[in-house]
Amino acid sequence: EPEVTQTPSHQVTQMGQEVILRCVPISNHLYFYWYRQILGQKVEFLVSFYNNEISEKSEIFDDQFSVERPDGSNFTLKIRSTKLEDSAMYFCASSEALQGVYGYTFGSGTRLTVV
Amino acid sequence: SQKIEQNSEALNIQEGKTATLTCNYTNYSPAYLQWYRQDPGRGPVFLLLIRENEKEKRKERLKVTFDTTLKQSLFHITASQPADSATYLCALARDDKIIFGKGTRLHILP
Repeated sequence: EPEVTQTPSHQVTQMGQEVILRCVPISNHLYFYWYRQILGQKVEFLVSFYNNEISEKSEIFDDQFSVERPDGSNFTLKIRSTKLEDSAMYFCASSEALQGVYGYTFGSGTRLTVV
Repeated sequence: SQKIEQNSEALNIQEGKTATLTCNYTNYSPAYLQWYRQDPGRGPVFLLLIRENEKEKRKERLKVTFDTTLKQSLFHITASQPADSATYLCALARDDKIIFGKGTRLHILP
């Protein structure tokens, strides 16, 4: 069964440092997403990406965040200057159709801890 | 703004019984609704999708209903097993994304 792969599984970083979270979506999927989940809270949308550009972003996704698809397989989320409140699980997802008509496939997540 | 409510934070069901979870939404009429399972420390796993013109969808022991008049979906697990214990998330498609409810933690008691 095809998988979405995320690395690293756990990242600890100092406040103010930059982090890059990496994802390899499913190869024939065209739509890519980042979500986050603060401990004990719901899964929140950050950004969707299609055709090499952002198609939608949430209020959380401010200037500190950026996404990139640097080659045909990787999809990255960069946080420029991390804050304590950025500590969360970050999930990458991909889908083969708009609005996930066949469902989204999520990775296992990166647990980001900002200290 | 769009709200998705899942009826309870936690639900305990005896093994072998049917578990029923509720998802209500407001301020929007989605073309379809999805259900996901999430285990602790893991990403959501897609289970079922139901379209607005479908009343019911089944997959093995899972059944989903969708009532667009009541703005409600029910998610049933029949003959529940301890392995069904997890958090179940309701999700609606909106623009270029899906948005999730907070989920219901289901515990199947042996």
